[in-house]
Amino acid sequence: QIQLVQSGAEVKKPGASVKVSCKASGYSFTMYGISWVRQARGQGLEWMGWISADNGNRDYSQKMRGRMTMSTDTSTSTAYLEMRSLTSDDTAVYYCARAGAVLTTHFDHWGQGTLVTVSS
Amino acid sequence: EIVLTQSPGTLSLSPGERATLSCRASQSVSTDYLTWYQQKPGQPPRLLISRATSTFPGIPDRFSGSGSGTDFTLTISRLEPEDFAVYYCQQFGSSPWTFGQGTKVEV
Repeated sequence: QIQLVQSGAEVKKPGASVKVSCKASGYSFTMYGISWVRQARGQGLEWMGWISADNGNRDYSQKMRGRMTMSTDTSTSTAYLEMRSLTSDDTAVYYCARAGAVLTTHFDHWGQGTLVTVSS
Repeated sequence: EIVLTQSPGTLSLSPGERATLSCRASQSVSTDYLTWYQQKPGQPPRLLISRATSTFPGIPDRFSGSGSGTDFTLTISRLEPEDFAVYYCQQFGSSPWTFGQGTKVEV
């Protein structure tokens, strides 16, 4: 079955960086893309960006551009999200979700989420 | 940026009742690019409806989507106990792929 398994919870200090992984299984990784979505406690969903696992094309939300980097390793079917210069506002659950490789109309499978806590 | 406004913020209903959730876009969204999700506490979102009206495989037929242009609706024909959750719409018509703020369906 299709699964996206994310790395474990992280605690970081303000100004630090974090890298979250998302390992895909059960489908052909390079036929799809991965999107990243975050959710602060008690809040709604915020789309962060998308990367094609086929050709590496990326789209970042304006808010995140410059502070986040998305990448993929097709040899291990794993996507990565790196966030830099963390602040307390970045404390949230981060989700990866399967998207299209070129055209996306929905996210049909999601990872379990990774809690990133930024605290001094 | 397309802003999606969901209403109401909270919907208080009983099992067996009909739920009608609204998602209004700040500019027209192609029906191909409007999606609905359900989220329960401690879980990731679950895809319900894509392309405004297409129910994802495995989703009960009491869930249906409709609408076009700037006004979209998710309807749950008869609420089951497991349907009490938060529902989000999302658009993929233009970047950023924005979400609505959510509607909580509670008992």
